[in-house]
Amino acid sequence: DVKVTQSSRYLVKRTGEKVFLECVQDMDHENMFWYRQDPGLGLRLIYFSYDVKMKEKGDIPEGYSVSREKKERFSLILESASTNQTSMYLCASSLRQGREKLFFGSGTQLSVL
Amino acid sequence: QKEVEQNSGPLSVPEGAIASLNCTYSDRVSQSFFWYRQYSGKSPELIMSIYSNGDKEDGRFTAQLNKASQYVSLLIRDSQPSDSATYLCAVRGNQGGKLIFGQGTELSVKP
Repeated sequence: DVKVTQSSRYLVKRTGEKVFLECVQDMDHENMFWYRQDPGLGLRLIYFSYDVKMKEKGDIPEGYSVSREKKERFSLILESASTNQTSMYLCASSLRQGREKLFFGSGTQLSVL
Repeated sequence: QKEVEQNSGPLSVPEGAIASLNCTYSDRVSQSFFWYRQYSGKSPELIMSIYSNGDKEDGRFTAQLNKASQYVSLLIRDSQPSDSATYLCAVRGNQGGKLIFGQGTELSVKP
């Protein structure tokens, strides 16, 4: 089975802190994604990557950056956390472009105080 | 107008009934349509995909697609309490492999 592992289940940070969310997948998937999920808003795409060192903006990239130095690892960075970034963050991967079956990690509930 | 719209619910049906979940999308050139199920506190998982007009059946689940009306639905026959979850409609737009999700419909199946 594909496993997508997110480093933390719950995280509490202060406004202005730099926050790193880590995601690792173990099935050699080419594509990796970061979503945030908020009540009533569904899943919104922050950034995605189709290859190592490649990244593309999703629908809500402001305030975030990403890093993909290795194929299996995709990191989401909040440069200066703000309270409106309090959310559930979900990492996902898929085999390759055009294969839409996403495998999700268990999520990180981030609270910014 | 949101790109993918669903009624947020909650939709409540009795056990054994048919649950009907609906989704509309705005991008006429969308080609691929998906239903993900998300149990409370868990991550979404893919349960159905559909690519052409008509019905696609998988066990108790039937996905229906009408591209002319820009409408996709999910029917769950013989609903069970274990089907209680939020169902997310997802549509692949015309740019690469990005999936666009609706806000989800919460389904509650009462014993």
